[in-house]
Order: sequence, then C-alpha cells, then structure tokens
Amino acid sequence: DAGVTQSPTHLIKTRGQQVTLRCSPKSGHDTVSWYQQALGQGPQFIFQYYEEEERQRGNFPDRFSGHQFPNYSSELNVNALLLGDSALYLCASSLAAVFGRSNTFGSGTRLTVV
Amino acid sequence: SQQGEEDPQALSIQEGENATMNCSYKTSINNLQWYRQNSGRGLVHLILIRSNEREKHSGRLRVTLDTSKKSSSLLITASRAADTASYFCATDAQGTASKLTFGTGTRLQVTL
Repeated sequence: DAGVTQSPTHLIKTRGQQVTLRCSPKSGHDTVSWYQQALGQGPQFIFQYYEEEERQRGNFPDRFSGHQFPNYSSELNVNALLLGDSALYLCASSLAAVFGRSNTFGSGTRLTVV
Repeated sequence: SQQGEEDPQALSIQEGENATMNCSYKTSINNLQWYRQNSGRGLVHLILIRSNEREKHSGRLRVTLDTSKKSSSLLITASRAADTASYFCATDAQGTASKLTFGTGTRLQVTL
C-alpha cells in the first residue's frame, strides 16, 4: 500500500520564478493538505483540498495556489518566488469521512530559492 | 504562527534512558497528535489523543493530555539510538485532520 508520494524531492529555483510541486495521496485517502516547514521550525499549514476545492487556508499570500485532480492528487503552485519561500514543503493526506483522524505525510520537497 | 511550544528544545540522553517531552498549546482542541521527523524529511504519525482522554499508550510511548493546563507530554521509555529525531506535537481544533497547528519541536539525541 503506497504512502504519500511527493515530487520532486529537491528543487532549486531563482527568485521571481514559478514552481509546481506534486503530491499523490495514500491509497484510499481523498483529502490533501500542504504544509511549509522552514529550517528549524514546525510545519505551517498552507491549505487543504477536498472534492477538488480549497476548503481551508492558512496565513499564506495568494502567490500560493493549488489544485486537486479527480484522482485526488494535488499540486502546489508558488508564483514570484522569494528567498523566504525556501523550505521543505510537505503534503499530507487523510480520509474525510473519518472524524478525529490523523494525517499521513510524504517525505517532502526541499525547495531552495536563490 | 505556531500553536505552542515544546520543551525542551533539545534533549540528549543515553540509550536505555527515558525521554520526556512537553508541549503547550493555546486554544481549545479536538485532539492532539505527536509526530516524529528524521533529518528534516517527512513526518511520521506516532499517536493521537482525543480531548476527552487523559492518557494513552502505544508500545514504548506514553502520552498524557491536560486540557485544563493546555499541555501534553510524550514519554519514550527505554530509548534507542533509532529514536534520534525531532518530535512535534500538533493540535487539531476541528477533529478533521485539517489545519494541524504544530509546535516548534524537540530535537532528541540518543547516544550509545
């Protein structure tokens, strides 16, 4: 049973560019959440997708956007990259129907903006 | 912003000793979860405790929750070198596994 798969594992981008990160949820999960983890910090919630719609959003600017596809996979897009966007981006999946559930996290994408 | 803080920020113990980490949070919760992270990679879910529970066990892990003090503790008994990692508590205010709010983490080093 495959867990959460994220691609790519590492990425280097130049300031001002745009980036797309991808996530395939754990088999049977229908909800995907994205987190940003700066070095030495805990993860911070970016947004969550369910039924192909953004359901909740954290305190992140509109430069951060996402999408969920019919097969439940998801993309995170960041436009006009800033040096401060350098971080580990984590995708987590869960099943909406199960209340009080935990998340399954992927191994993350390490984004470096230079 | 982070929900709360973990204490201590770093902990170094010898193999076989017990490790205790504490977590404080700020708002009402549905449940609190503990995760482990090795070398800045993905998070591994360890244990979930609901707001109406006071203590929970899973193998060598023991978690307590005191909602009146808005605090939780994670005890790892008989630590092993493989337990070396960062440990995070995360609160779920809604019980929907959405918008988890993480603490700042405790870095645990277990030496031989």
